[in-house]
Amino acid sequence: DTGVSQNPRHKITKRGQNVTFRCDPISEHNRLYWYRQTLGQGPEFLTYFQNEAQLEKSRLLSDRFSAERPKGSFSTLEIQRTEQGDSAMYLCASSLDRHPVEQFFGPGTRLTVL
Amino acid sequence: ILNVEQSPQSLHVQEGDSTNFTCSFPSSNFYALHWYRWETAKSPEALFVMTLNGDEKKKGRISATLNTKEGYSYLYIKGSQPEDSATYLCAFGTGKSTFGDGTTLTVKP
Repeated sequence: DTGVSQNPRHKITKRGQNVTFRCDPISEHNRLYWYRQTLGQGPEFLTYFQNEAQLEKSRLLSDRFSAERPKGSFSTLEIQRTEQGDSAMYLCASSLDRHPVEQFFGPGTRLTVL
Repeated sequence: ILNVEQSPQSLHVQEGDSTNFTCSFPSSNFYALHWYRWETAKSPEALFVMTLNGDEKKKGRISATLNTKEGYSYLYIKGSQPEDSATYLCAFGTGKSTFGDGTTLTVKP
């Protein structure tokens, strides 16, 4: 399967714990995006990378959130000291920079913070 | 702050019914409007990318229109089937898209 993959698909954690999610984009895509979706709402933009450079971060991305894309391929999103309000679906998408309108999404990681 | 609104929030139809949803978006600084279908436990799937005022696109029984001057897009499904049951999302912009909250369609056999 050459689509966008995300791991894990589901994560249950206790409040205060740290979690890390991984996204593997389509191999030739140099742009990678993270979104968060909560129940009943559409996905909200969190951050995006062009190659290894993080070019923009939403104000939704508090200091407890950090994202990396060290080699310009896969990306990780870490949430430190999780709170119940962090419970959401975290979606990753990728695109080519010359075709930024065409984003391809992964299946998401569902985070539940108890 | 960009505001993208979708209506209705949910829709229940019988198999064979035709249906349509609305996406409203800012009419200024338009670049692109996307429609996605998102089935439970799957990745959001791109249906259409629309960039020009007056665009009409079709994919099987699903079609979409775009009016950038007044800031709306319609998605039509002709002869709905149970497999069309999903959440339909529209997104405004490119790259860091702004999404609406979606219309959840349930098609009953």
